[in-house]
Amino acid sequence: DAKTTQPPSMDCAEGRAANLPCNHSTISGNEYVYWYRQIHSQGPQYIIHGLKNNETNEMASLIITEDRKSSTLILPHATLRDTAVYYCIVRVQTGANNLFFGTGTRLTVIP
Amino acid sequence: DVKVTQSSRYLVKRTGEKVFLECVQDMDHENMFWYRQDPGLGLRLIYFSYDVKMKEKGDIPEGYSVSREKKERFSLILESASTNQTSMYLCASRRPRDLYEQYFGPGTRLTVT
Repeated sequence: DAKTTQPPSMDCAEGRAANLPCNHSTISGNEYVYWYRQIHSQGPQYIIHGLKNNETNEMASLIITEDRKSSTLILPHATLRDTAVYYCIVRVQTGANNLFFGTGTRLTVIP
Repeated sequence: DVKVTQSSRYLVKRTGEKVFLECVQDMDHENMFWYRQDPGLGLRLIYFSYDVKMKEKGDIPEGYSVSREKKERFSLILESASTNQTSMYLCASRRPRDLYEQYFGPGTRLTVT
């Protein structure tokens, strides 16, 4: 699996966009980028995933650079409930799949 | 809504005890997983199960076993608990066709003294 690098922590003002970067310079052609988050005292929650195109759903947008060596998760209007640890995961999609969670980025949304 | 429940949020056990952690999901998912989460180490996969009575070792299976007798239930067993198994244990489930999305339970924080 490709290694990912994320900043350990970030702050964001409530109502502003939160942009969480992830570096995955050794990603291979068949590896997807997944994002999960973990709110304190809860299990991780799936946010979004993508291969090479930008993706958007009701929770967030995922921007993947053209060379696929990095990506950015965007929460368009951060709320206090978005305070969590955000994990960027790079993995092939195969049947035997587990997800390796690293240490992530702790996002704190400030009122 | 998919629901994954775990039998206890907090558990305290003594060294050498046999410990059972239960996980139940209500969405008829074939795949289920057990992870442990430790500060600075992220989540690490202990065991996973493709379907009933099927199991595969994950990255750190030593000291653990699992049981999957029914589709909705996946049990993690610590045969003889040790202090280095003090951790947060997370169960997850998934439909095989949705390889990207695992649904997690709230976790069990186990302390072994």
